[in-house]
Amino acid sequence: GQNIDQPTEMTATEGAIVQINCTYQTSGFNGLFWYQQHAGEAPTFLSYNVLDGLEEKGRFSSFLSRSKGYSYLLLKELQMKDSASYLCAVRDRGYQKVTFGIGTKLQVIP
Amino acid sequence: SAVISQKPSRDICQRGTSLTIQCQVDSQVTMMFWYRQQPGQSLTLIATANQGSEATYESGFVIDKFPISRPNLTFSTLTVSNMSPEDSSIYLCSGRTGGDNEQFFGPGTRLTVL
Repeated sequence: GQNIDQPTEMTATEGAIVQINCTYQTSGFNGLFWYQQHAGEAPTFLSYNVLDGLEEKGRFSSFLSRSKGYSYLLLKELQMKDSASYLCAVRDRGYQKVTFGIGTKLQVIP
Repeated sequence: SAVISQKPSRDICQRGTSLTIQCQVDSQVTMMFWYRQQPGQSLTLIATANQGSEATYESGFVIDKFPISRPNLTFSTLTVSNMSPEDSSIYLCSGRTGGDNEQFFGPGTRLTVL
């Protein structure tokens, strides 16, 4: 099975940088997702990492270390609209199910 | 990418009744899933919808309570049977294409059981 841990809440200032960490323990691993979910809306895809290292996509970057069971999502130049929950999710080795963490609720303040 | 729609978007139901939620994808997807998201919580996988065969259920979910159909590669239904207030939740349909690492979500169905 999968066990995924991430902080439940974070607060950061507009224009700043924030790093949201995610650790996981898994019996099989085939990639890690980050999703953004605004209140009352469906999750939207941000990134997918299957190899170690940093993937950059505009203001958002995602990092993975498979040996450490660790990932982080880095958000730069924070904007008020970035206030949302950020979900870390792990896909198992059989390409089947994706298991989600509890999500980190990020509040961006002026 | 794929666009997923769900019907109904929301419903209020009486205890003991059943509701069927429809999920339509605008392109063929190899994998379809049904998730539940209870208030303030993350997504919990209910089952994987398999085309032309019985769905694969996760621990804690059974076919009698959550029957699922998937007659083709673009459509699936989830029924919430004999509902109780504990079934009040958002139910989300999700799909993934074969060579695509991205998993898409529908807008969700917000269910309230009185």
